[in-house]
Amino acid sequence: GQNIDQPTEMTATEGAIVQINCTYQTSGFNGLFWYQQHAGEAPTFLSYNVLDGLEEKGRFSSFLSRSKGYSYLLLKELQMKDSASYLCAVRTASGTYKYIFGTGTRLKVLA
Amino acid sequence: KAGVTQTPRYLIKTRGQQVTLSCSPISGHRSVSWYQQTPGQGLQFLFEYFSETQRNKGNFPGRFSGRQFSNSRSEMNVSTLELGDSALYLCASSLDRDRARYEQYFGPGTRLTVT
Repeated sequence: GQNIDQPTEMTATEGAIVQINCTYQTSGFNGLFWYQQHAGEAPTFLSYNVLDGLEEKGRFSSFLSRSKGYSYLLLKELQMKDSASYLCAVRTASGTYKYIFGTGTRLKVLA
Repeated sequence: KAGVTQTPRYLIKTRGQQVTLSCSPISGHRSVSWYQQTPGQGLQFLFEYFSETQRNKGNFPGRFSGRQFSNSRSEMNVSTLELGDSALYLCASSLDRDRARYEQYFGPGTRLTVT
């Protein structure tokens, strides 16, 4: 079957660094996406990895290991506005493309 | 550039009724996907349309259907509504060019409540 796992909730302090992990098992792989979703709002794109390694974008970095079916999103210098859900999604490549989403990690940033 | 728009934003229906939701993608985007989001299940893929053809379908019953028009606008229909259909329905569009990143851009969603 196809499965994406991420922790349900995490808490961190303003100014700190937090790592949100995602493991996946899918039939075919054509990229891993991270989205941020604030309560009551639509998900917004954060990062994309298709090759192994680290992609850095300002305070956000995302890492991928295809052999391990593993990714993480690293958030540095946490701000209160980073309190949101973070969704890991895999684009599969079995026949036609499809996006499989994890249930999301709810991050609370405390002052 | 205008983002993805969805109408209506909120809807209340009773069991047994049917509902049609609309999505207008970002100009130039030809791929439109629909998702159901509930607190327990997260985002679940319903179907994807590209150039007026359903290209992909998730594991939802036949009561859920959709279509795409020549201008890439898409509609989703749910017939014989059940209480469990209460959810946020999100539409996402992407460029869908080969070898491109084509991340999905989401609309604000339609909050459907079935009573």
